[in-house]
Amino acid sequence: DAKTTQPTSMDCAEGRAANLPCNHSTISGNEYVYWYRQIHSQGPQYIIHGLKNNETNEMASLIITEDRKSSTLILPHATLRDTAVYYCIVRVEAAGNKLTFGGGTRVLVKP
Amino acid sequence: NAGVTQTPKFQVLKTGQSMTLQCAQDMNHNSMYWYRQDPGMGLRLIYYSASEGTTDKGEVPNGYNVSRLNKREFSLRLESAAPSQTSVYFCASSEAPLKGTNEKLFFGSGTQLSVL
Repeated sequence: DAKTTQPTSMDCAEGRAANLPCNHSTISGNEYVYWYRQIHSQGPQYIIHGLKNNETNEMASLIITEDRKSSTLILPHATLRDTAVYYCIVRVEAAGNKLTFGGGTRVLVKP
Repeated sequence: NAGVTQTPKFQVLKTGQSMTLQCAQDMNHNSMYWYRQDPGMGLRLIYYSASEGTTDKGEVPNGYNVSRLNKREFSLRLESAAPSQTSVYFCASSEAPLKGTNEKLFFGSGTQLSVL
């Protein structure tokens, strides 16, 4: 699997957009980008995933650069409940695969 | 629809004791996983089961055994607990290994284990 690099931590103002970067410069053509988050003491929660195109769902948007070497998770209107550790993971979608979680970005949403 | 249920939520063991962590999912998922998370760290995969009747080692399998009892249940056993196994344990499930489905993992709420 391609390695990902994320900032260790970042702060965000409540009500503003939170932009979380992720570098995956060694990503290969069939590897997807996944984002999960983990709110304190809870199990991780799936947010979104994509291959090439930008994706949006009720939780967030995922912007993947044209060369696919980096991506950005956007939380459009951050709330205090979005305070969590956010994990960017790159993985091939295939039978029996499992995701590997790194250190993630600790996001603190401030009032 | 409970999702992924783990028991117990908390457990304290003495070194050398054994115990089994239970996990059940009601989403008819094929794959199930056991992860551990040490303080301030990301999750590390212990074992996974791609389908009923199969199990495979993950990154950190030493000191653990697993059983995929049926499609719903996947248990993790510590035969002789050690202080290094003090951690939070998460069970997860996903639709995979069906080709074409995404690796959306659904996690349980975790078991906090302390080994003294």
